[in-house]
Amino acid sequence: AQSVTQPDIHITVSEGASLELRCNYSYGATPYLFWYVQSPGQGLQLLLKYFSGDTLVQGIKGFEAEFKRSQSSFNLRKPSVHWSDAAEYFCAVGPLTGTASKLTFGTGTRLQVTL
Amino acid sequence: EAQVTQNPRYLITVTGKKLTVTCSQNMNHEYMSWYRQDPGLGLRQIYYSMNVEVTDKGDVPEGYKVSRKEKRNFPLILESPSPNQTSLYFCASTRTGWNEQYFGPGTRLTVT
Repeated sequence: AQSVTQPDIHITVSEGASLELRCNYSYGATPYLFWYVQSPGQGLQLLLKYFSGDTLVQGIKGFEAEFKRSQSSFNLRKPSVHWSDAAEYFCAVGPLTGTASKLTFGTGTRLQVTL
Repeated sequence: EAQVTQNPRYLITVTGKKLTVTCSQNMNHEYMSWYRQDPGLGLRQIYYSMNVEVTDKGDVPEGYKVSRKEKRNFPLILESPSPNQTSLYFCASTRTGWNEQYFGPGTRLTVT
């Protein structure tokens, strides 16, 4: 069965500092990987996705993520965090063949940004 | 504007009183899903639908029903709600294949 682990429940960074959110997945084949962001009181918005090609993918709002097959990881990074990035972030994995409706989500990492 | 709408946004009800949460999308998407979000558990899929009249169970389907009679609508039905179904519910839709899922704003349900 596929699974996603986000080991950090809560992270606090200062505005302007760099950010890395960790995501490890377990999947028996090549996965399709996503990062979503959920702002307070809002639904989820897709930040970026990866399924093949360049292992460093760029997303919206200045975020990027790197797929490392050997480590089963798909960590999310941002060089300089803005106060508006405070939100909850979810990593998700799904089968490469199938449908986007079979995603498995991690438990989320809540990001707090201090001024 | 492309969007997924859910109604109601907030609902407080009592154990055993049947309720329906509606979900509608205006993007002509084939795939629709329902998730529940609970603290420390992330999002877990309840049911999904690949097209009209085609539905399948997700990871936590017990206590829920769905129907897909029209492409744009995918209501979630709780025929006899219980307190353990108190949660934040999200509907999502996507086109065929591996495309971005669009999420609704969520419905916060409290069952007393």
